[in-house]
Amino acid sequence: EIVLTQSPATLSLSPGERATLSCRASQSIDSYLAWYQQKPGQAPRLLIYDASNRATGIPARFSGSGSGTDFTLTISSLEPEDFAVYFCQQRSNWLTFGGGTKVELK
Amino acid sequence: QLQLLESGPGLVKPSETLSLTCTVSGGSIISDNDYWGWIRQPPGKGLEYIGTIYYSGMTFYNPSLKSRVTISVDTSKNQFSLKLTSVTAADTAIYYCAKSLMPYSRPYFDSWGQGTLVTVSS
Repeated sequence: EIVLTQSPATLSLSPGERATLSCRASQSIDSYLAWYQQKPGQAPRLLIYDASNRATGIPARFSGSGSGTDFTLTISSLEPEDFAVYFCQQRSNWLTFGGGTKVELK
Repeated sequence: QLQLLESGPGLVKPSETLSLTCTVSGGSIISDNDYWGWIRQPPGKGLEYIGTIYYSGMTFYNPSLKSRVTISVDTSKNQFSLKLTSVTAADTAIYYCAKSLMPYSRPYFDSWGQGTLVTVSS
């Protein structure tokens, strides 16, 4: 099973700041990685797929990068609605999710 | 607009079978481009993939749950279902149904139901 490790567990930032979230895979997953946003009481929302492709309707301030084992989700300038939990997911070898990073208001 | 809605008992006794149904509206479950999946999330924790199904009935299960899981499809009702046997407290979670972004058996999911909380307790 491929383990995805997300860091940091919590990121405390202010609106307008840049957020950089990390997802590391236990073995190479090429570019088969997605990022999701989840707000309290809601289902996850797909943001990025295949490491760097924005899903339909996702604002340009969200971007993804990386390949192999190291991946990054960047939110260029945090909006109030971006404070949430973010999960990564791989589909290279079966399907697993990371433990999540919470982006909280500083 | 495609919508998915989970339904089923919110409370299941230990050792019994958890049964949930996902009803798809605003689109057909018979689609060459879609797989349909179940994902769960223990309260306050991370996400766990359970399995996916194609409208033909072809299924793919998480190996860690495979011995207890059955996913089926009813195209006449535009629904797919989950059965999880021999449940324990560790199966307490919010259960989501979802649609694949692309026609892969192990996909990314771009449409999700609202989720339903299932508690395992006597």
